[in-house]
Amino acid sequence: AQTVTQSQPEMSVQEAETVTLSCTYDTSESDYYLFWYKQPPSRQMILVIRQEAYKQQNATENRFSVNFQKAAKSFSLKISDSQLGDAAMYFCAYQKAAGNKLTFGGGTRVLVKP
Amino acid sequence: KAGVTQTPRYLIKTRGQQVTLSCSPISGHRSVSWYQQTPGQGLQFLFEYFSETQRNKGNFPGRFSGRQFSNSRSEMNVSTLELGDSALYLCASSLHGQGASYNSPLHFGNGTRLTVT
Repeated sequence: AQTVTQSQPEMSVQEAETVTLSCTYDTSESDYYLFWYKQPPSRQMILVIRQEAYKQQNATENRFSVNFQKAAKSFSLKISDSQLGDAAMYFCAYQKAAGNKLTFGGGTRVLVKP
Repeated sequence: KAGVTQTPRYLIKTRGQQVTLSCSPISGHRSVSWYQQTPGQGLQFLFEYFSETQRNKGNFPGRFSGRQFSNSRSEMNVSTLELGDSALYLCASSLHGQGASYNSPLHFGNGTRLTVT
């Protein structure tokens, strides 16, 4: 069974600074997808960024970028130029290539200080 | 385009009762998945429906069931409620089924907060 681990329960960052969230996963599959979701107090899970395992190039979405290390099974998220609106729970998630089942990590709470 | 709509937003039930939660996916989306979120267990997959058929099921007791209608709307039912069923229940929809998940990521609703007393 696949597992996803987020080792940082909480991270604090100063506004306009950069913060990196860690995620490791375990799988025997070769084809899969990885995601970072954001969950603000409104409770809705919002897709931040996604990465296909077969792509070596790291995904980037505006201020959000990932460092995908397939051999190490590591998938970290970097938030640059942090904004107050970035404050939320962030979940790393794994999905096999076939099917829509997501396996989530335990989450990391990001606090942004003005 | 309207997002994923879940009703009701809040629900309070008593132990032993049953409850039905509703989810309307984004127009055109055919896959609907359900997740349970609790402080202790985190986010756990319940089941997925695609074209009215349950395609995948998580490790939950038979008290948890669901169905999908021809218009892709889905309902989730929990019978004989227990205190431990108190949770946020999230529904997610996606456009495609297997093999095209990259092009159709999951879109989540705001969830239904169920409290069992």
